[in-house]
Amino acid sequence: KAGVTQTPRYLIKTRGQQVTLSCSPISGHRSVSWYQQTPGQGLQFLFEYFSETQRNKGNFPGRFSGRQFSNSRSEMNVSTLELGDSALYLCASSTGGTSYEQYFGPGTRLTVT
Amino acid sequence: AQTVTQSQPEMSVQEAETVTLSCTYDTSESDYYLFWYKQPPSRQMILVIRQEAYKQQNATENRFSVNFQKAAKSFSLKISDSQLGDAAMYFCAYRSVLGGANSKLTFGKGITLSVRP
Repeated sequence: KAGVTQTPRYLIKTRGQQVTLSCSPISGHRSVSWYQQTPGQGLQFLFEYFSETQRNKGNFPGRFSGRQFSNSRSEMNVSTLELGDSALYLCASSTGGTSYEQYFGPGTRLTVT
Repeated sequence: AQTVTQSQPEMSVQEAETVTLSCTYDTSESDYYLFWYKQPPSRQMILVIRQEAYKQQNATENRFSVNFQKAAKSFSLKISDSQLGDAAMYFCAYRSVLGGANSKLTFGKGITLSVRP
């Protein structure tokens, strides 16, 4: 089975712009979670989508949003970028059921200048 | 809310020797999952091992084993016969069994493990 894929792998944006990151889960997985990783804050949970519905959300401002499509692919959007949004954004997929192992993608490295 | 603490930011081990990485957590739940993830320089997060809190037996995966002490809320990872490829950042993580809105992983700050040849 193919693993979790994320595109793009690297991105450079300017403050005030918006960005969309994409995540394709493992085939058959219906849950996609997003995490932000920074040296200062570590790994922080952004949100989770399951069957096209957001079922869990972390403590991030409304500038961070996401969605999931019927094929389970997910996108994350950040509007009005700030320097502090520079981070590695990781996507993880799971079946969403009680087995509960999450498998991570390679991440998207976002740099905001 | 659950918290996960990894108090050692860095550790070093000689190739072929054994190293133990520490993790403590805090929760009011009686059942949950604990994980160790490895993140090499390539940045891909890889699941190393998982432990279910209701199971008293410590999980083992090849050279990796855990010491799970539920009462002490301690979950350490032992790496035997360390190899150069084990050099990475290791994260301890917690997840509730409740699922649904509680399905997120809570991570510790991580520990950087270096392996000396």
